[in-house]
Amino acid sequence: SYELTQPPSVSVSPGQTARITCSADPLPKQYAFWYQQRPGQSPVVLIYKDTERPSGIPERFSGSSSGTTVTLTISGVQAEDEADYYCQTADRTGTIVFGGGTKLTVL
Amino acid sequence: ELQLVESGGGLVQPGRSLRLSCAAFGFTFDDYAIHWVRQAPGKGLEWVSSISWSGGSTVYAGSVQGRFTLSRDNAKNSLYLQMNSLRTEDTAVYFCAKQGTNSWGDQFYYMDVWGTGTTVTVSS
Repeated sequence: SYELTQPPSVSVSPGQTARITCSADPLPKQYAFWYQQRPGQSPVVLIYKDTERPSGIPERFSGSSSGTTVTLTISGVQAEDEADYYCQTADRTGTIVFGGGTKLTVL
Repeated sequence: ELQLVESGGGLVQPGRSLRLSCAAFGFTFDDYAIHWVRQAPGKGLEWVSSISWSGGSTVYAGSVQGRFTLSRDNAKNSLYLQMNSLRTEDTAVYFCAKQGTNSWGDQFYYMDVWGTGTTVTVSS
């Protein structure tokens, strides 16, 4: 099964760009998905299939992929973006794996 | 409105059993695989189990394999997670979530609709 590694925390000032990485081990990488979870709330999907954004998700959220690393980019960070962010993937058997999560702090 | 509602959580002693339920509303339940994800207090998300649209295929995390059983009743738009031999480390909020799709309805192994969760506390 896969292991997904995320940085425990990222801090940015309002209006800046936040980048949260997620590294996959072992190869090859399957599709990655990203979720936002605010305190006390259920997760919400931000990005699916590495780069696709569901309807209703602001354009400032984007996903990219390079090799075995996927990145969630939040452009023009707002105070409301302060939350935990999780990447997720699955292998061909349907075994699902989450990254450890990244706490985004808006300074 | 697409909605999932979990129930059945509570306080249980180690070694005992508990059954969680998940009721679906607002979508064609038997078109989709459904997943359970849990979150221990102050910790990250952990996938628990998934079941195919028909109920004919289930997958479990290694941490619950052999102790948890996932089933569904499509006639009742409901899902059931039978949890046996519970351990203190099973203490968590348990979420059920619908398998996600792309714009054309193709399904992928992710979750696009989540319930609000039900809390399971395993303690003596």
